Amino acid sequence: EAQVTQNPRYLITVTGKKLTVTCSQNMNHEYMSWYRQDPGLGLRQIYYSMNVEVTDKGDVPEGYKVSRKEKRNFPLILESPSPNQTSLYFCASSLNGVGTDTQYFGPGTRLTVL
Amino acid sequence: GESVGLHLPTLSVQEGDNSIINCAYSNSASDYFIWYKQESGKGPQFIIDIRSNMDKRQGQRVTVLLNKTVKHLSLQIAATQPGDSAVYFCAEGAGNRDDKIIFGKGTRLHILP
Repeated sequence: EAQVTQNPRYLITVTGKKLTVTCSQNMNHEYMSWYRQDPGLGLRQIYYSMNVEVTDKGDVPEGYKVSRKEKRNFPLILESPSPNQTSLYFCASSLNGVGTDTQYFGPGTRLTVL
Repeated sequence: GESVGLHLPTLSVQEGDNSIINCAYSNSASDYFIWYKQESGKGPQFIIDIRSNMDKRQGQRVTVLLNKTVKHLSLQIAATQPGDSAVYFCAEGAGNRDDKIIFGKGTRLHILP
């Protein structure tokens, strides 16, 4: 089944404890992206990747890192999480870019930083 | 600046009636528009898209209308069912910017029995 998977789905952590949220897609998509979703603010892009070894900042990249060592995986790294990073996170992918291709979303990761 | 927005944050519709969800966009360079459905506890799910060379596109029970003159997009759902309860997002993309799209904040569709 074609899909985007994220792990973990739920995570409660404490301030400053490094964490990684994994994202994987099995559709051979070039483009991958991370979003956070907060009440009243909608979906905001954190980082995106147009291809392997190519990553760029989105609208809210502060406090996050990503890597794209292989096409299928795009992990999101929080080196020193803070409470303002408590949010619902979505990974997404599309065949090429998103200007003309449909983006497919993962099921989400709900992160709480205490 | 660029923005994608919605006229109503919440829409209540009687089961069986048609639903119309509206969206305004401000970037005249946008040429690709998408509607997503997000059910509680799930990620956004693609419903239908339309490109700027069209003004109407139909899917199964859904129709998207695009009015480029007034930069307006709408999603029509025919014979609304309880399973249509969700938040609906519009999003816009520009063909000359393949790296990002802009999402609206969403409209919650509530189905009345």
